[in-house]
Amino acid sequence: DSGVTQTPKHLITATGQRVTLRCSPRSGDLSVYWYQQSLDQGLQFLIQYYNGEERAKGNILERFSAQQFPDLHSELNLSSLELGDSALYFCASSVDDPLGSRNYGYTFGSGTRLTVV
Amino acid sequence: AQSVTQPDIHITVSEGASLELRCNYSYGATPYLFWYVQSPGQGLQLLLKYFSGDTLVQGIKGFEAEFKRSQSSFNLRKPSVHWSDAAEYFCAVVGRGANNLFFGTGTRLTVIP
Repeated sequence: DSGVTQTPKHLITATGQRVTLRCSPRSGDLSVYWYQQSLDQGLQFLIQYYNGEERAKGNILERFSAQQFPDLHSELNLSSLELGDSALYFCASSVDDPLGSRNYGYTFGSGTRLTVV
Repeated sequence: AQSVTQPDIHITVSEGASLELRCNYSYGATPYLFWYVQSPGQGLQLLLKYFSGDTLVQGIKGFEAEFKRSQSSFNLRKPSVHWSDAAEYFCAVVGRGANNLFFGTGTRLTVIP
């Protein structure tokens, strides 16, 4: 158990639908990162939150959004789902904002496998 | 822009043999460097990381990696591979002052008895 909890582990939904993925970071970690892993794109950074605020954006589609709540858990919302959104979605947390020299590496959750049919 | 290249998509080694997985990065300065391992159906586990100092870094599970600035490389090594090492291995970088890990495409390791 890495300490980063992602729910649900598996999700099957139809095209056009909306889903919410949830992530609870490791205790004490303030940063949460979302990644998408697919066969054709590999591991792609989507978005980062630090202590409730959006800190960085990667290749996140406009149909996707995220937020981090006061208790530091984060949710990734995926809407108007398409077949191509089928992927493994990972959440990671880090002990500190990696600006500067205090980057200790990220701890990843076990992921949510999203299948869009 | 930073990038990570893992030139070997798939490597097969015999159990007990030595292993070296290649990683080359492109970045304007020395980035932070990481190796992660992903077992089937699992998340990514950090094997080791390099920030500064000694260029030979020891990690978990008997892995080590050597940072070579002149070659922009951070190759992962293990002297004797175990069957349980079969997995996908990812090299990753994050620039100093940047926020997110940038991953290579991964190398799938198969271990044969």
